[in-house]
Amino acid sequence: AQSVTQLDSQVPVFEEAPVELRCNYSSSVSVYLFWYVQYPNQGLQLLLKYLSGSTLVKGINGFEAEFNKSQTSFHLRKPSVHISDTAEYFCAVSGSASKIIFGSGTRLSIRP
Amino acid sequence: NAGVTQTPKFRVLKTGQSMTLLCAQDMNHEYMYWYRQDPGMGLRLIHYSVGEGTTAKGEVPDGYNVSRLKKQNFLLGLESAAPSQTSVYFCASSYSDSTDTQYFGPGTRLTVL
Repeated sequence: AQSVTQLDSQVPVFEEAPVELRCNYSSSVSVYLFWYVQYPNQGLQLLLKYLSGSTLVKGINGFEAEFNKSQTSFHLRKPSVHISDTAEYFCAVSGSASKIIFGSGTRLSIRP
Repeated sequence: NAGVTQTPKFRVLKTGQSMTLLCAQDMNHEYMYWYRQDPGMGLRLIHYSVGEGTTAKGEVPDGYNVSRLKKQNFLLGLESAAPSQTSVYFCASSYSDSTDTQYFGPGTRLTVL
């Protein structure tokens, strides 16, 4: 069975500061990992995903994440955030063909 | 190309009433999913479908039924609504299995009194 833990429910940062959103997973099989973003009053959209290959994955809007198998982590980073990055971010893991498991979400708030 | 659409956007029900939520996608996707989103709990899978005419249970299926009579539509039914089903419901679709990107609808906010 797979599970995913997002360690921070809320992360406040100042505009143009770097940010890291943490995600740890557990799985007994090979995993596929995702980060989705949900802007206010919208559905989720994919930021990036790791299926195989390079452990550093680049996504949209300047975000990137690094797959670390030994630490079972898939942390999301951005070197300089903008007000428009204010959203809730969900880490997700899949180890089966049909389903993915979402974390509880991290709310990123950007202060001017 | 509308992507994934959901009907209705908002609904208020009384305990015991029934309703159906409609999800439609125009991307010719095989896989479709219904999730519920509750504060602090992320998204939980209710039911999913891997193709027309198929359905399967997800993480929290009790109290819900689904049907996929047409490839482009995935219906979620509540036969007898309960206050515990107050939530935001999201439909999603993907071309292939769970390694593929899921495309989400805008959500339906349901309140059960």
